[in-house]
Amino acid sequence: DTGVSQNPRHKITKRGQNVTFRCDPISEHNRLYWYRQTLGQGPEFLTYFQNEAQLEKSRLLSDRFSAERPKGSFSTLEIQRTEQGDSAMYLCASSLGTSGTHTGELFFGEGSRLTVL
Amino acid sequence: GENVEQHPSTLSVQEGDSAVIKCTYSDSASNYFPWYKQELGKRPQLIIDIRSNVGEKKDQRIAVTLNKTAKHFSLHITETQPEDSAVYFCGRGSARQLTFGSGTQLTVLP
Repeated sequence: DTGVSQNPRHKITKRGQNVTFRCDPISEHNRLYWYRQTLGQGPEFLTYFQNEAQLEKSRLLSDRFSAERPKGSFSTLEIQRTEQGDSAMYLCASSLGTSGTHTGELFFGEGSRLTVL
Repeated sequence: GENVEQHPSTLSVQEGDSAVIKCTYSDSASNYFPWYKQELGKRPQLIIDIRSNVGEKKDQRIAVTLNKTAKHFSLHITETQPEDSAVYFCGRGSARQLTFGSGTQLTVLP
């Protein structure tokens, strides 16, 4: 399968614990995005990488959230001191980014579902 | 400035009828307007997109129209089929970001 892969697919944690999600984008894609989706809502933009550089970050993103893409390939999203409100599906997407003016088609992974007890 | 409003939130149509979903935005810098379909328990997938220099685009039963002056765009699905039942999200984007609407649950009744 050469699509976007995410793991773990499901994570249950207690409030206050740290969690980390991993995303492996489509290999030739230079752009990577993290989104959060709750039930009945559209994906909410969190952050954007072009290669290894984090170029955009949502103003709504708490400082408990940090993302990295150290070698411009896979990315990790860490949530520190989790809260119940962090429970959501965390989606990763990648795109080839041939245009300098727009994102182009985003290819989504199947997501990592976080439940904070 | 970054939000996109999507209506309606739910839509039921009879099989064979047309469905229309509308979105409005406020950021004039937006230049890319995609539509994604998300079936239950699955990932969102692009079904059609339009760029700001185009007013309309069609792909078989699906079409998107864009009015940049009024800052709104619409998805049109003709001859709806049961497999069209899903949640549809509009998006507005630029070079670094793609923001989605809150979604429309489309149900095609047999």
